[in-house]
Amino acid sequence: QSALTQPPSASGSPGQSVTISCTGTSSDVGGYDYVSWYQQHPGKAPKLMIYEVSKRPSGVPDRFSGSKSGNTASLTVSGLQAEDEADYYCNSYAGSNNLGLFGGGTKLTVL
Amino acid sequence: EVQLVQSGVEVKKSGESLKISCKGSGYSFTSNWIGWVRQMPGNGLEWMGIFYPGDSDARYSPSFQGQVTISADKSITTAYLQWSSLKASDTAMYYCARPIVVRGVVIRLDYWGQGTLVTVSS
Repeated sequence: QSALTQPPSASGSPGQSVTISCTGTSSDVGGYDYVSWYQQHPGKAPKLMIYEVSKRPSGVPDRFSGSKSGNTASLTVSGLQAEDEADYYCNSYAGSNNLGLFGGGTKLTVL
Repeated sequence: EVQLVQSGVEVKKSGESLKISCKGSGYSFTSNWIGWVRQMPGNGLEWMGIFYPGDSDARYSPSFQGQVTISADKSITTAYLQWSSLKASDTAMYYCARPIVVRGVVIRLDYWGQGTLVTVSS
């Protein structure tokens, strides 16, 4: 199975909102509500930001939200802050006998 | 507090063997899966496999089946990722992470180790 498709880059000014997409198929993103998003700052380990499409772990600001429509999941960051500049990766369950698929990653730049 | 602490940087030559580690603490090690994720230089994240220390159940992504071995020592709450013969293409950062698995579904990776950089020269 192929990796999920994310735009290589996204950007926004402080205070603005930006949305990052993650496109798969009906066998992964579209078929299950098990999409998660991870934030990775340079030289650091990834951090869970969203799971099961739209749930936020404790400690993640409510500026981060997730949604899904058909085969595309989205991560929206509202009220952009400088510290949001990072790489973001989506992940989806892709059926039995499969650990899941990651997206290729999106580099978010805060202008 | 859940913590996953990985072993340090490794510099090896092609053909050599290697075993890197990930020590879990702050949670029940035998009742939770542990997984490994590869990140090649400048690239994205790739699932390698997961392991359940409670019964030694190991599951691998097709790309890594037969290429690596995942194991654990319950007595010291430590998971391992092992290669018998490294290749230059194994040069990458390797992360351990705790996957939450419900009825066979990996829901999320909620805690991550700090990563182990492996460099293999030819």
